[in-house]
Amino acid sequence: AQRVTQPEKLLSVFKGAPVELKCNYSYSGSPELFWYVQYSRQRLQLLLRHISRESIKGFTADLNKGETSFHLKKPFAQEEDSAMYYCAVETEANTGNQFYFGTGTSLTVIP
Amino acid sequence: DVKVTQSSRYLVKRTGEKVFLECVQDMDHENMFWYRQDPGLGLRLIYFSYDVKMKEKGDIPEGYSVSREKKERFSLILESASTNQTSMYLCASSLWVRSYEQYFGPGTRLTVT
Repeated sequence: AQRVTQPEKLLSVFKGAPVELKCNYSYSGSPELFWYVQYSRQRLQLLLRHISRESIKGFTADLNKGETSFHLKKPFAQEEDSAMYYCAVETEANTGNQFYFGTGTSLTVIP
Repeated sequence: DVKVTQSSRYLVKRTGEKVFLECVQDMDHENMFWYRQDPGLGLRLIYFSYDVKMKEKGDIPEGYSVSREKKERFSLILESASTNQTSMYLCASSLWVRSYEQYFGPGTRLTVT
């Protein structure tokens, strides 16, 4: 079974401090990984995906296949980063692509 | 912009009622998904559909059914609502392309009393 683990339900950091949201996955194939974010009163939206190797809003995430991790990092947290973050794994099948989400981490950036 | 809309933002139903949640997307996406979002449990997939009239069970299909008669519309049906189905329900759509993002609707907050 595919599983995504986010060990921290709640995470608080001070503004300007580094932040790391952890994500570990278990998947037997070649994974595609994502981070989704939900700001207060907004819909869930894509933050970044592994395949793009991009930095969005100062966030980056590196896939470590040895540790099966895809941690989300930002060197200097901002108040507007306060949100719920979900890690997700995509599997592929003949009957459509399926996504498995973690339980989410609620990030609070303290002014 | 991709638009995924859900028929209701808030819904209150009684135990035993049949409940319909509707989702419409306007970007010709093949895949559509229904999730429920609960604190501490994250997003759990109920059902998804990769084509018209096609459906696949997710992790928690019990107590739910779905219908996809048109490509743009995906309905979630609670045959006989129960209090443990009180939750936030999210619909999403995506292309059937590897690593394509999912676009989410605003959610329907369902309360079953």
